[in-house]
Amino acid sequence: NAGVTQTPKFQVLKTGQSMTLQCAQDMNHEYMSWYRQDPGMGLRLIHYSVGAGITDQGEVPNGYNVSRSTTEDFPLRLLSAAPSQTSVYFCASRLRTSSSYNEQFFGPGTRLTVL
Amino acid sequence: GQQVMQIPQYQHVQEGEDFTTYCNSSTTLSNIQWYKQRPGGHPVFLIQLVKSGEVKKQKRLTFQFGEAKKNSSLHITATQTTDVGTYFCAGPESGGGADGLTFGKGTHLIIQP
Repeated sequence: NAGVTQTPKFQVLKTGQSMTLQCAQDMNHEYMSWYRQDPGMGLRLIHYSVGAGITDQGEVPNGYNVSRSTTEDFPLRLLSAAPSQTSVYFCASRLRTSSSYNEQFFGPGTRLTVL
Repeated sequence: GQQVMQIPQYQHVQEGEDFTTYCNSSTTLSNIQWYKQRPGGHPVFLIQLVKSGEVKKQKRLTFQFGEAKKNSSLHITATQTTDVGTYFCAGPESGGGADGLTFGKGTHLIIQP
């Protein structure tokens, strides 16, 4: 299994540009999520999905869109990039069971700089 | 909303010294998870604690879950250079509908040889 994969690894954008960060997992996990990581701020949840066709907002959703058309893929779209969106973005997935939480598997991250 | 706080934010130790990071939640947690992130890497799951007062060990790492299930700790005995990184605790989101984890801001472990 490849686990959780993310592309691209690095990206530089100009203010106002749009782009899509790709995320895929091959573990048949129902739950997928996007986090951003900024110095001193830890990991903050942007959006998450509990299955194909179902998405919801996390702690910091403004400026980002997501969709979940398949179990495997969960792309994150930046509509109009701003310097405040300069960050490291991690995609994560896990099994979703009713009893207790399972470990989250993180992708390698995308390092985004907005000029 | 729920907050998960970790202290200290940074910890410098000499190689061979012990290290402890503490995690406190504003609400009772059904479980708590710990992750490690190496510099330039991504978070990797270490362990999950579920029971009140639970203690689990992984080699030199000891994890504890408080009796009230509102705090947890990670203790590393005799640190090695391979222990360098940021250690995060994470608890389930409180409230109905949310399915995610709330992460603490992490403790950065810096080891001086």
